[in-house]
Amino acid sequence: QGQLQQWGAGLLKPSETLSLTCAVNDGPFAGFHWAWVRQPPGKGLEWIGDINHFTHSGRTTYNPSLKSRVTISLDTSKSQISLLLTSVTAADTAVYFCARGRVWGYFYYMDVWGTGTTVSVTS
Amino acid sequence: QSVLTQPSSVSGAPGQGVTISCSGTSSNIGANFDVQWFQQIPGTAPKLLIYGSSNRPSGVPDRFSGSKSGASASLAITDLRTEDEADYYCQSWDSSLSAYVFGPGTKVTVL
Repeated sequence: QGQLQQWGAGLLKPSETLSLTCAVNDGPFAGFHWAWVRQPPGKGLEWIGDINHFTHSGRTTYNPSLKSRVTISLDTSKSQISLLLTSVTAADTAVYFCARGRVWGYFYYMDVWGTGTTVSVTS
Repeated sequence: QSVLTQPSSVSGAPGQGVTISCSGTSSNIGANFDVQWFQQIPGTAPKLLIYGSSNRPSGVPDRFSGSKSGASASLAITDLRTEDEADYYCQSWDSSLSAYVFGPGTKVTVL
């Protein structure tokens, strides 16, 4: 089924860069999209973006609302996915989840999720 | 504000059934993009319940079912159990936003 382990800095100051890593500890790494989703405290889910490891293109797709600040990358030698979000503000305070995207037609659905990493941005 | 609309809460007694609606537009569900449903118990990660609008992953009880018609989708839960108390989110692709979008979530309470 696959287990996703996440880690990264949980406390940031405004203008710093958020950096999170997600490791696939069990199950295949290739053949999927790998996505990041976040959830502000008490609020709903927001898709951040994904990287295509289905066609091995490494193509990234980002939420337009975050595109200028987001970078998602892969380390295939370690089966890891990374998220960078620059110039953070308090509005970026959220729980960040990585998720596996299983291809369905032209799109994918997120069938396995990491446990989440809480990130707080405060001065 | 989400482009997908869900009721903020629904409730039912144990053993009864509830239905959660997810209303979209012509740029998402109405454009025939599939809908996924997720269950989230507070403090935990979302869990996939339905994919491709009406398909259940292995291990999800058949008490959960999904359907789609026009620009709307629904998640039905039958034989409610206390463990079904959670937040439920619909999700689809939006061609205007060029993004995967989630509904605002519906809290299910078992009375």
